[in-house]
This record gives sequence, C-alpha cells and structure tokens, in this order.
Amino acid sequence: QKEVEQDPGPLSVPEGAIVSLNCTYSNSAFQYFMWYRQYSRKGPELLMYTYSSGNKEDGRFTAQVDKSSKYISLFIRDSQPSDSATYLCAMSRSGGSNYKLTFGKGTLLTVNP
Amino acid sequence: DAGVIQSPRHEVTEMGQEVTLRCKPISGHDYLFWYRQTMMRGLELLIYFNNNVPIDDSGMPEDRFSAKMPNASFSTLKIQPSEPRDSAVYFCASSSPSGSLHTQYFGPGTRLTVL
Repeated sequence: QKEVEQDPGPLSVPEGAIVSLNCTYSNSAFQYFMWYRQYSRKGPELLMYTYSSGNKEDGRFTAQVDKSSKYISLFIRDSQPSDSATYLCAMSRSGGSNYKLTFGKGTLLTVNP
Repeated sequence: DAGVIQSPRHEVTEMGQEVTLRCKPISGHDYLFWYRQTMMRGLELLIYFNNNVPIDDSGMPEDRFSAKMPNASFSTLKIQPSEPRDSAVYFCASSSPSGSLHTQYFGPGTRLTVL
C-alpha cells in the first residue's frame, strides 16, 4: 500500500462549481499536510499547508485534515478556468525529517468556462 | 529573485550516455531537493541537502545516480550510464527554515528523454 493515495482524475467541472480534491494516507506519523498546484509544464507551487487536524481557509480555498480517518481534502469555491491545473497533496512527519515530503500522484482539474 | 534555475530545460540523449542536470537554488536557501516526476510514480524525492551536505539519499534509485552540491549556489544530478527508464521530468527545489516550514520552491524542471 502506498503511503499517500490520490485519485488522478481527470476532473472536469464548469466555472463556478465547488471542487473537492482528496487524499488518503496510511502513515500515522504524518503531521504536516500540504497542497501544491502544478500548471502544465511548470514546477509545483505551494498552495496551502496545515499542521495536524483541522481546517484552514485562504480566499476561495479551504484545506481540511481528519487525522482520525487519515484523510485530507482541498475545497475550491467558485472555481475559475485559471484553477485548471494538477493538484498534489503532500505530507511529512515532524521532527528531524520534517523536510522530506511524500507526494500523492496528483489530480488533474479542468475548469470549463 | 529569479527563483530556482535549472538547466537544461530539455535533454534528449541515447542510452548509455552520461547526463548532468544543473540547479541553482534561491539565494539564502539552505535546503536543496532533487525530485523526479513520472506518470506512473508521481513526484518522488531523490535526495536532499542541507548546507551543501547530503542528508537523505534513500530515494536515489541506484548507483547510476549521483548528486553533488559543491557550494551553496549550485548542485548537479548525474546519471551514468543513462537508461530509457530514466526518462522523466527532474525538478530541483529549495527552501529556507526561516520561512514557512514546508514551502519548497520548485524550478521549472528538466525534461529528460533517453532513447
């Protein structure tokens, strides 16, 4: 079983829709949870990060972590064509190896005008 | 700042040839990471450095791969000899603990094709 599982999609939605992206993980040592966005033929860029369980909101984006279920989500409200990209979840442990990130494979999202 | 700089952006080579990928991290960043991205395996960490010292190379697939960081502003990833299964996009990223703990800044990547 891979440490981080993410549905690769593709996911296609109309402009203005609410998008839900999810990852599950198996390693209970993960404490830091991140979402990176990757546009076509570009490097990933950090979108949001949370520590342990709970919610975090930034504009149209909300990240949720449920450590009891080992499940994390990213919600995008009022999605825009510019949100079309691959979204990768990433996780790491605390302590000395906390810079080592384990990524999901990414979900390809297309928002249609 | 120019961001993380990688060269070349594209590399096409034949099996058995040596390939060298280059990276210049963001000035002041003391962590440098090398990743490989494929459709099958996603984004995988190969190795990372702190203050030019390799900290974790457990992701390096085999002895054909080697990485060096001779100074704070330059790193190389070398594959010798290259094989078709090495075809992938290789990313370099850097970060600084003075910023957000897990913000890694990625370069544009090097797209490697081994024929």
